[in-house]
Amino acid sequence: QKEVEQNSGPLSVPEGAIASLNCTYSDRGSQSFFWYRQYSGKSPELIMSIYSNGDKEDGRFTAQLNKASQYVSLLIRDSQPSDSATYLCAVVTGSARQLTFGSGTQLTVLP
Amino acid sequence: GAVVSQHPSRVICKSGTSVKIECRSLDFQATTMFWYRQFPKQSLMLMATSNEGSKATYEQGVEKDKFLINHASLTLSTLTVTSAHPEDSSFYICSAPGTFGNTIYFGEGSWLTVV
Repeated sequence: QKEVEQNSGPLSVPEGAIASLNCTYSDRGSQSFFWYRQYSGKSPELIMSIYSNGDKEDGRFTAQLNKASQYVSLLIRDSQPSDSATYLCAVVTGSARQLTFGSGTQLTVLP
Repeated sequence: GAVVSQHPSRVICKSGTSVKIECRSLDFQATTMFWYRQFPKQSLMLMATSNEGSKATYEQGVEKDKFLINHASLTLSTLTVTSAHPEDSSFYICSAPGTFGNTIYFGEGSWLTVV
């Protein structure tokens, strides 16, 4: 069974703080990992993709991947109220590039 | 950039009727498209993989006779919910892998309400 698990949340952080979102996956052969942001009632939008062990930074966002531990995380620095959304971890789990999603973590950034 | 367009964005139908949702790749060809369903406060669950020119591959527990998928061209996949019931009310989202790299594009999603 291929699974992707996220810390359940909800997560609340004050404006300007660092938000840390975590995800583990069960398929050791997985190679591609994504973080999506989803606002209520909307389709997911891609925040970060990561394929190699280590850190990948893009603006206020940093994705971290540890394939040995089967762990991927997302850090959001200087969190803003507009970052309040549900964050979905996704892993490519098939040769056709279908995604398996985690359950999502609802983040609220308090002004 | 590449876009996946989904239509309709919202639809209300009566119980027992059928409703069709379209997913189009606008400036690239998609031999494969994916259909997801999302219930409120839950994550996206893959329903099926749509394959151009061949039968769709359904995930375990998804009724292929109820959720008909047609991928008749390289830019269009359709999902038809047949004999809809209120429990089919959900947010349906399609996606397609881009031509290059690992990019995956999502449609805007379709809210289905069955009354």
